[in-house]
Amino acid sequence: SQKIEQNSEALNIQEGKTATLTCNYTNYSPAYLQWYRQDPGRGPVFLLLIRENEKEKRKERLKVTFDTTLKQSLFHITASQPADSATYLCALEYNQGGKLIFGQGTELSVKP
Amino acid sequence: NAGVTQTPKFQVLKTGQSMTLQCAQDMNHNSMYWYRQDPGMGLRLIYYSASEGTTDKGEVPNGYNVSRLNKREFSLRLESAAPSQTSVYFCASGGGASGWRAIGDEQFFGPGTRLTVL
Repeated sequence: SQKIEQNSEALNIQEGKTATLTCNYTNYSPAYLQWYRQDPGRGPVFLLLIRENEKEKRKERLKVTFDTTLKQSLFHITASQPADSATYLCALEYNQGGKLIFGQGTELSVKP
Repeated sequence: NAGVTQTPKFQVLKTGQSMTLQCAQDMNHNSMYWYRQDPGMGLRLIYYSASEGTTDKGEVPNGYNVSRLNKREFSLRLESAAPSQTSVYFCASGGGASGWRAIGDEQFFGPGTRLTVL
């Protein structure tokens, strides 16, 4: 079955630096890969989607890359702020559709 | 729009008790989902419903039942709660302007129900 690995260790960075989070998967590549943000005590909120045939996607300070050769997606937050502190989840969806498969999430802490 | 709402927010049960978690969405979405989230495990799909009148098992359906009451509401029932079902439960919905969810469409999540089974 498909396995998804995100950085298991929490990521601590200084305000203003770029945060880079990793999502690795096994087996075959998904058609779509999504990134969500989750704050403590709340449900996940969608951030970005990248398709299998796209290498990179940007939205304001966020950038997602998708490398099907490495079976990896990277999620970057540039000029990070303390308000970016949260857990970030990646989710895969295949062409059979209908269901997302989530990684376990990476906790990001941005210190002032 | 309230989005996706869930009740209750918190619940404590004793082993063997039953309860129903309620979920409703006001976005006219056809697809609805129930997940559980445990530390270090991420979100795992319990059941989902692609449209009113249909339900399908997800990754971890044992010990649960669901009902898609109508287009808006999707409930999750624990018939005989066990300590292994202690978790945070999230309901989600998905769909485009037509109400139907296409591959790649985002899912919208509720605030969650924190359930403890003693």
